[in-house]
Amino acid sequence: QQQVKQSPQSLIVQKGGIPIINCAYENTAFDYFPWYQQFPGKGPALLIAIRPDVSEKKEGRFTISFNKSAKQFSLHIMDSQPGDSATYFCAASEAAGNKLTFGGGTRVLVKP
Amino acid sequence: EAQVTQNPRYLITVTGKKLTVTCSQNMNHEYMSWYRQDPGLGLRQIYYSMNVEVTDKGDVPEGYKVSRKEKRNFPLILESPSPNQTSLYFCASTLGDRRRFNEQFFGPGTRLTVL
Repeated sequence: QQQVKQSPQSLIVQKGGIPIINCAYENTAFDYFPWYQQFPGKGPALLIAIRPDVSEKKEGRFTISFNKSAKQFSLHIMDSQPGDSATYFCAASEAAGNKLTFGGGTRVLVKP
Repeated sequence: EAQVTQNPRYLITVTGKKLTVTCSQNMNHEYMSWYRQDPGLGLRQIYYSMNVEVTDKGDVPEGYKVSRKEKRNFPLILESPSPNQTSLYFCASTLGDRRRFNEQFFGPGTRLTVL
């Protein structure tokens, strides 16, 4: 049973559009929710992370929204660019980020 | 440059032939992990190590072994590989400080095919 469920599996948007990726979790002991970005042939790299005492966090064009009561969180990519085309993984951790439970991933394609 | 390195990057082998994938980090990190990445399943933790000589099972440990004799190295061993171990493998390391939230740093990946 996947503890972190991610949707959609893939997403195509035009340049300037706002891809939105959603994740839901079951384990209420999770206390750290990072998003990782992965380009083809590379390992995942941390993009942005949030703790459950905050409802929203922005870093540049990337925004995480967090709904603790619904046990859901999402990633928005504002003014998306072709260079944002990548696979995005949400994750959750109850061990200070040392052990991550990942969602299934979303492949995002931003068309010029 | 701070990094996690893995070798080999690509490996094709046959069922039952023992293999080792090496992992090394130069950041003096305490905590190291191995993950496998499969389509639709994301990354799943195989084994982890909180320090030298301290290792434990992750979520999918069957068919794998690890060792941590030195802080910087964390090899993944497949004693008798099977086709269901065909996957993309990532080594990761993190500071391991439980007083703060730790970013995990991933290696470039090893694509393994078991025929």
